[in-house]
Amino acid sequence: DSGVTQTPKHLITATGQRVTLRCSPRSGDLSVYWYQQSLDQGLQFLIQYYNGEERAKGNILERFSAQQFPDLHSELNLSSLELGDSALYFCASAREQTNTEAFFGQGTRLTVV
Amino acid sequence: DAKTTQPPSMDCAEGRAANLPCNHSTISGNEYVYWYRQIHSQGPQYIIHGLKNNETNEMASLIITEDRKSSTLILPHATLRDTAVYYCIVNNQGGKLIFGQGTELSVKP
Repeated sequence: DSGVTQTPKHLITATGQRVTLRCSPRSGDLSVYWYQQSLDQGLQFLIQYYNGEERAKGNILERFSAQQFPDLHSELNLSSLELGDSALYFCASAREQTNTEAFFGQGTRLTVV
Repeated sequence: DAKTTQPPSMDCAEGRAANLPCNHSTISGNEYVYWYRQIHSQGPQYIIHGLKNNETNEMASLIITEDRKSSTLILPHATLRDTAVYYCIVNNQGGKLIFGQGTELSVKP
């Protein structure tokens, strides 16, 4: 158990819908990262937050947004869902902002039908 | 971030040492080498990291060449549970970890 909690574990929704994925980092970790893993793309970095502020952005679509709340949990919002958004979404947390080990949650498996 | 090159797949006999190579010839002086692994669709798991000295922990050893252009992750006594995709990452930018394709290690009985 990494100490990072992601909910829900599985989500099935229709195209065009909007969903929210939630991540609770390990106690004391200030950094949260989001990754997308689909079969043909590998692990893609989406976005990083540190202590409530956005710190780095990767290949995140405009239809996706994220935030980190004062209690340090984070949410990833996916809207206008397409079939191609079906993937595993992982959240990771780390103590510091730079050069440290990250702990990953077990992921949310999103299926868009 | 420096790019890394890893073999796409490797086999290892159970109980033997697994030596996973990584080439990072464009690494810069302040970039660390990280290793993670992912066991079938689970969240990636941190293994070890280093800057220029060799490192060892309860999971593995990391050997970095003197010129830092390559490294080897060593699992001293591989078990079936070590079957996974192993990722070598070099990083110095705000902790963001960029994953490549990794090496798929199959440990066979």
